[in-house]
Amino acid sequence: DGGITQSPKYLFRKEGQNVTLSCEQNLNHDAMYWYRQDPGQGLRLIYYSQIVNDFQKGDIAEGYSVSREKKESFPLTVTSAQKNPTAFYLCASSTTGAASYEQYFGPGTRLTVT
Amino acid sequence: AQRVTQPEKLLSVFKGAPVELKCNYSYSGSPELFWYVQYSRQRLQLLLRHISRESIKGFTADLNKGETSFHLKKPFAQEEDSAMYYCALLTGGGNKLTFGTGTQLKVEL
Repeated sequence: DGGITQSPKYLFRKEGQNVTLSCEQNLNHDAMYWYRQDPGQGLRLIYYSQIVNDFQKGDIAEGYSVSREKKESFPLTVTSAQKNPTAFYLCASSTTGAASYEQYFGPGTRLTVT
Repeated sequence: AQRVTQPEKLLSVFKGAPVELKCNYSYSGSPELFWYVQYSRQRLQLLLRHISRESIKGFTADLNKGETSFHLKKPFAQEEDSAMYYCALLTGGGNKLTFGTGTQLKVEL
């Protein structure tokens, strides 16, 4: 079954703790993306990666970190420096080049920090 | 800076009525625009792109550069059209999408 998976579906953490969200794809896509989705604010890009071992900051990268050691995986760490981490996080992947506009999304992870 | 604006958070129409979901953009380059849709309990997915000029599920969208708009239209709404719709602009040299805040479409019987 091809696609993009995110785990876990729900995640609860105490304030001050770092937490890592998983994103895996078996679509053989070079590009991967992390978005944050908040009510009334749409999707905002956190980080993206066009190729293994390389990634770029999106619009709201502060308080987040990523790695891209494998083509299939693009984990996102929400650090304690993120001031408002409670949100719904979406991962996506796409090819690069002309068809990069078609992003394939995962089911999302809802993070709650108390 | 690039920006995508969807002025309506919620749009409620009756079944069979015409639908128009508004999208305006600001971008200094040549715009490429898209509509993404998220049905209940499903993943966000691409609905259509302006370049293809095709009709998907009865929806069309025309890029109006003069008005910097890319409104999504359907002549007769169906119940299954109820979903969250996002307008998106390809930016970053074609490497990333900038999304609007989304419009929730509710089609009532």
